[in-house]
Amino acid sequence: KNEVEQSPQNLTAQEGEFITINCSYSVGISALHWLQQHPGGGIVSLFMLSSGKKKHGRLIATINIQEKHSSLHITASHPRDSAVYICAAWAGQGNLIFGKGTKLSVKP
Amino acid sequence: DAGITQSPRHKVTETGTPVTLRCHQTENHRYMYWYRQDPGHGLRLIHYSYGVKDTDKGEVSDGYSVSRSKTEDFLLTLESATSSQTSVYFCAISAGLDYGYTFGSGTRLTVV
Repeated sequence: KNEVEQSPQNLTAQEGEFITINCSYSVGISALHWLQQHPGGGIVSLFMLSSGKKKHGRLIATINIQEKHSSLHITASHPRDSAVYICAAWAGQGNLIFGKGTKLSVKP
Repeated sequence: DAGITQSPRHKVTETGTPVTLRCHQTENHRYMYWYRQDPGHGLRLIHYSYGVKDTDKGEVSDGYSVSRSKTEDFLLTLESATSSQTSVYFCAISAGLDYGYTFGSGTRLTVV
C-alpha cells in the first residue's frame, strides 16, 4: 500500500487546456513537495507547501491538510509542460515518501 | 552551476563487483540523500545523511552502504552488485525541513 497516491497515472491534454493532478496521502506530514521530471530524467522541485496555496507562473499548488489532499494545476498548458509530475510527502527525519508520478503529455 | 553533481552519469558493471557512486554539492547543505528510481515504483530512499559522519538507513538500504566524511561529498557503495540493483540513482540535497530539495542529474547503473 503506497502512502502517497497520485491520480491520474497518465494524462493527455491539448495545448491550452487547464490541467489538474491530484495527490492524496495517508501519513501525517510536515510538508508536501511537487516535483517535475523531464523526459531527459532530470528532477526539478516546483513547490513545497504545508498549507494553503502557492503560485509560480502558470503553476498553482494547493493543499488541504485536514483532507490530506493536494492538487497541482497548470493553466494554459503547453507542450513544454509534458513531463512526469511527482508529489512527495515529508514525514519527518529525512523521510520523503514519493508518489509514483503522473505522466502528462500536452499535444499541440 | 547546478550546485550538485553526480558521478558517473552512466555505468555498466558485472555482478559481484563493488561500485561507488559519488554525490558532490557546493551548497553546504546539511542533508544529503540517495534514492533509486525503478519503473512502477516512486523514488525510494536508500540512505540519507544529516551531517558529517551522520547517516541513517532508508526504505531500501539492504546491499548498500554510505559514507560522508566531508559536508560536500556523499558516497553510495554497492559492496557486491546484483542485477536487482540495476536502476537510476538520484542524489538530493536540502538545507532542512523549511527548504526544498535539489536533485542531481542521476546515475544510470546497469549490473550485468
